[in-house]
Amino acid sequence: DSGVTQTPKHLITATGQRVTLRCSPRSGDLSVYWYQQSLDQGLQFLIQYYNGEERAKGNILERFSAQQFPDLHSELNLSSLELGDSALYFCASSVGLAHYNEQFFGPGTRLTVL
Amino acid sequence: AQKVTQAQTEISVVEKEDVTLDCVYETRDTTYYLFWYKQPPSGELVFLIRRNSFDEQNEISGRYSWNFQKSTSSFNFTITASQVVDSAVYFCALSMRDDKIIFGKGTRLHILP
Repeated sequence: DSGVTQTPKHLITATGQRVTLRCSPRSGDLSVYWYQQSLDQGLQFLIQYYNGEERAKGNILERFSAQQFPDLHSELNLSSLELGDSALYFCASSVGLAHYNEQFFGPGTRLTVL
Repeated sequence: AQKVTQAQTEISVVEKEDVTLDCVYETRDTTYYLFWYKQPPSGELVFLIRRNSFDEQNEISGRYSWNFQKSTSSFNFTITASQVVDSAVYFCALSMRDDKIIFGKGTRLHILP
């Protein structure tokens, strides 16, 4: 158990809808990262937050947004969902802001868009 | 271009055999970090190792060892005396100064009893 929690575990929704994925980092970790894992694209870095501020951006679509709250939990919002957004979404956390820190991954949220 | 290539999509070996997973990377940055992560059937990614671009020393941790060669832009991972519990997908990743992280497509490793 990495100490990172993600809810929900599974989410099934329809095209055009909007969903919110939630992540609670390990106690003491200030950085939260979001990743998307799909069969087509593999594992892709989406975005990083550090202590409430956006730190780095990867291949995140404009339809997607994230934030990190004062209690350090983070939410990833996915809107105008398309079939291709079906994937496993991981959250990870680390102590510092540097990209080379060891990251601890949550169990993931499996999103299915029908 | 920045890229991580894991040419081996899937490997099967019999338990107790040694197996090497290849990773080749491309980057123009002189400062970068390389990682290996394991994704067992349960799905959660587990950090295995980090290596920075200035440290070419090979590393051994139990049955695991890593060979980093800047001359060939490779960071290969060897499991000695493989066990069934080693069955997983293994990802190599590259992290650069712009804080972006690029993962390879992964190598699915089957250890057969």
